Amino acid sequence: DAKTTQPNSMESNEEEPVHLPCNHSTISGTDYIHWYRQLPSQGPEYVIHGLTSNVNNRMASLAIAEDRKSSTLILHRATLRDAAVYYCILVPSQGGSEKLVFGKGTKLTVNP
Amino acid sequence: DTEVTQTPKHLVMGMTNKKSLKCEQHMGHRAMYWYKQKAKKPPELMFVYSYEKLSINESVPSRFSPECPNSSLLNLHLHALQPEDSALYLCASSLQMGLTGNSPLHFGNGTRLTVT
Repeated sequence: DAKTTQPNSMESNEEEPVHLPCNHSTISGTDYIHWYRQLPSQGPEYVIHGLTSNVNNRMASLAIAEDRKSSTLILHRATLRDAAVYYCILVPSQGGSEKLVFGKGTKLTVNP
Repeated sequence: DTEVTQTPKHLVMGMTNKKSLKCEQHMGHRAMYWYKQKAKKPPELMFVYSYEKLSINESVPSRFSPECPNSSLLNLHLHALQPEDSALYLCASSLQMGLTGNSPLHFGNGTRLTVT
């Protein structure tokens, strides 16, 4: 399974933007980039996913590098409710895609 | 609120007990998953069911026995567990196998299991 590298932890202030990086230098051409987050005492929650183009939804934006070897999850205005562990995961579109393998993730702390 | 419901939320069992964890979804998803999560660690895949048939078993010990009685339900039967099996057990579902790349997983909030 392709691997991702994320910082162990990051801090942000409330109402400021947050950029969470993810490196995936061994990504294959058919791998989707998924982001999930896990709030304390809850199961993981889907945030966003993309293949090649940048993506926006109501929760966040996903910026994908042109060579696809890295991506950045952008929270436009962090709130205290965004404090969570954020996981960047590569999901093959063919064969083995069901093995959603979680890395260690980034623990985001949001300061009031 | 999550669309994947897991019961019970908490479970304490002895090493000689038999218990079951239950998971239910009504989104019409045909792939269902069991994950195990130890404290401060990422979730680890255990089993995947596709159209009610076991598709992936990640070499899980036989004291964990999954069952998918229909497309909406997923059970995990537990027998003769060890204290090190104490963890958060997460259920998830997705539209169907082979589409996970473009179809996200929906997780329940898990059952926190303590084996004494």
